[in-house]
Amino acid sequence: QVQLQESGPGLVKPSETLSLTCSVSGGSVSSGYYYWSWIRQPPGKGLEWIGYVYYSGSTNYNPSLKSRVTLLVDTSKNQFSLKLNSVTAADTAVYYCASQHVMAYFFDYWGQGTLVTVSS
Amino acid sequence: DIQMTQSPSSLSASVGDRVTITCRATHSISSDLNWYQQKPGKAPRLLIYAASSLQSGVPPRFSGSGSGTDFTLTISSLQPEDFATYYCQQSYTSPYTFGQGTKLDI
Repeated sequence: QVQLQESGPGLVKPSETLSLTCSVSGGSVSSGYYYWSWIRQPPGKGLEWIGYVYYSGSTNYNPSLKSRVTLLVDTSKNQFSLKLNSVTAADTAVYYCASQHVMAYFFDYWGQGTLVTVSS
Repeated sequence: DIQMTQSPSSLSASVGDRVTITCRATHSISSDLNWYQQKPGKAPRLLIYAASSLQSGVPPRFSGSGSGTDFTLTISSLQPEDFATYYCQQSYTSPYTFGQGTKLDI
């Protein structure tokens, strides 16, 4: 059973960079069966897919965030990460990491989520 | 982007009721439609993938149907633990988009 756990600062100042890491256990980021995704949910709102990174380092970003997002994978640590720069209050959300099935693109394993607040 | 619209946005029901939630896509997405359940303060949980395939461990009272642009999630007999918010998600093309959610309460 794959388990994912997000970590990172819960408070980020406007215009700065949001950085989160997702640690994977019970499976390997190098398995090739999954893309490793980030999804966010503003308080009281719906879900937005941010993008995914594959074990090879290839990425796919949501065009709405593409200019500000970088996703990386670290196979030696069995982790992947999200950087979102130039944040504003609109980026305040619960950020989830999730595994996205390579063939069918559904999200079957999720982290518990971490709330990131953008505020000075 | 493909937009996903769920109806209703909220729904009141009782234990034992049969409930149906609808999801409509702005373009045909074949059967590339997934359903999730989310409880307050928790991550979403995959229920149904590929429109009608039940994820492992999900009770058989949940079922999905549809193809093209119109899809449904049916709960055959509501249980107390089913009161939650439900989301559809298209996996046909990037960016992978979700419906706005349907809140199911008593």
